[in-house]
Amino acid sequence: GAVVSQHPSRVICKSGTSVKIECRSLDFQATTMFWYRQFPKQSLMLMATSNEGSKATYEQGVEKDKFLINHASLTLSTLTVTSAHPEDSSFYICSARPFLREFADTQYFGPGTRLTVL
Amino acid sequence: GEDVEQSLFLSVREGDSSVINCTYTDSSSTYLYWYKQEPGAGLQLLTYIFSNMDMKQDQRLTVLLNKKDKHLSLRIADTQTGDSAIYFCAESMRGSQGNLIFGKGTKLSVKP
Repeated sequence: GAVVSQHPSRVICKSGTSVKIECRSLDFQATTMFWYRQFPKQSLMLMATSNEGSKATYEQGVEKDKFLINHASLTLSTLTVTSAHPEDSSFYICSARPFLREFADTQYFGPGTRLTVL
Repeated sequence: GEDVEQSLFLSVREGDSSVINCTYTDSSSTYLYWYKQEPGAGLQLLTYIFSNMDMKQDQRLTVLLNKKDKHLSLRIADTQTGDSAIYFCAESMRGSQGNLIFGKGTKLSVKP
């Protein structure tokens, strides 16, 4: 149980285009989903917290107009990188926190999306 | 502020025990977690411990928590080559939305 999927797993795009990444909780409902960014050999940096049906909460330094987050249902959140540039190239990982708290506030992570902007 | 520190590298021989250490600064942590990340993959939850516990054991994994010293450790018994990965320590805060603060990760290399 507690499986989170991400799609696509890998994407290469040209500078200036927009890329959408989907995060789905497959076997549980998640009122809260998180989006992280991971640079090579570094830890995860939280970008934003997404609550179903409301606006995302962005961490300091993260541009909300550049990284659009939509959490339309209890099982799906999307991250759209708008007008992507090479410096946006990174590994983006989402996580989902089950609605039912028997999982001790645990977050379950997706497999990540490798974005490369040329 | 919140900060989670880990040593960056650990190398052990197959069959030995591995001990990965972590220190954190915020005493209001509710849960502390250990995640495993294999190359090019997301994070896999290994185990977690509630802040009022001292120890938790789950098969080959033993978590020790010293709340006074704000020190968390993960012991892997009989380490195998498949245990080679990066291990992240993380804490969640009371009153937060479950935001996790991660350490930088410890790269465990297991030599045959």
